[in-house]
Amino acid sequence: EAQVTQNPRYLITVTGKKLTVTCSQNMNHEYMSWYRQDPGLGLRQIYYSMNVEVTDKGDVPEGYKVSRKEKRNFPLILESPSPNQTSLYFCAIRRNYNSPLHFGNGTRLTVT
Amino acid sequence: AQKVTQAQTEISVVEKEDVTLDCVYETRDTTYYLFWYKQPPSGELVFLIRRNSFDEQNEISGRYSWNFQKSTSSFNFTITASQVVDSAVYFCARPSYNTDKLIFGTGTRLQVFP
Repeated sequence: EAQVTQNPRYLITVTGKKLTVTCSQNMNHEYMSWYRQDPGLGLRQIYYSMNVEVTDKGDVPEGYKVSRKEKRNFPLILESPSPNQTSLYFCAIRRNYNSPLHFGNGTRLTVT
Repeated sequence: AQKVTQAQTEISVVEKEDVTLDCVYETRDTTYYLFWYKQPPSGELVFLIRRNSFDEQNEISGRYSWNFQKSTSSFNFTITASQVVDSAVYFCARPSYNTDKLIFGTGTRLQVFP
């Protein structure tokens, strides 16, 4: 069974304090991605990665960084968080292009 | 366009009622996939089903069934004899054909009252 582990589940921080949300998978899938979910705006892709050292921007990459140094991990980095990055974040994996995405349990981030 | 439209924002039913959630999609592909996801109040996104455009047979899984009709570009989801535990937001989705992501509908919030 696909397992995507995100940490932390909840995070409250202040503007400008760098943070990292971790994501790891147990399926050896090449594809990983990050989404954010906001009321009225739905789910939007932030970044995705097709393989180790291969990352690309999604719809809303501004203010975020990612890295993919190894296949199982895909951390999301907010160098200088701002209140408009308050959101529910999901990491997701999939086997191939038409496979379903399997999501982590989400990270609820609040930036004050 | 690549929209996925879920016109029903919120539906309320009483336990044991049947309920159908609508999904209409846009596509220019002859081959494509569609998905349904469930987001319960706890917040996680749970994959429910994937269908491909080759197969228009209805899919049934317990109390859940899906009706896929290419002629109307619809992929509707029916819950039979709804239960309180079915209360959630349900999303329909399809892969984007020019970027590597899933396009989600805006979701339908289902509330099942005892």
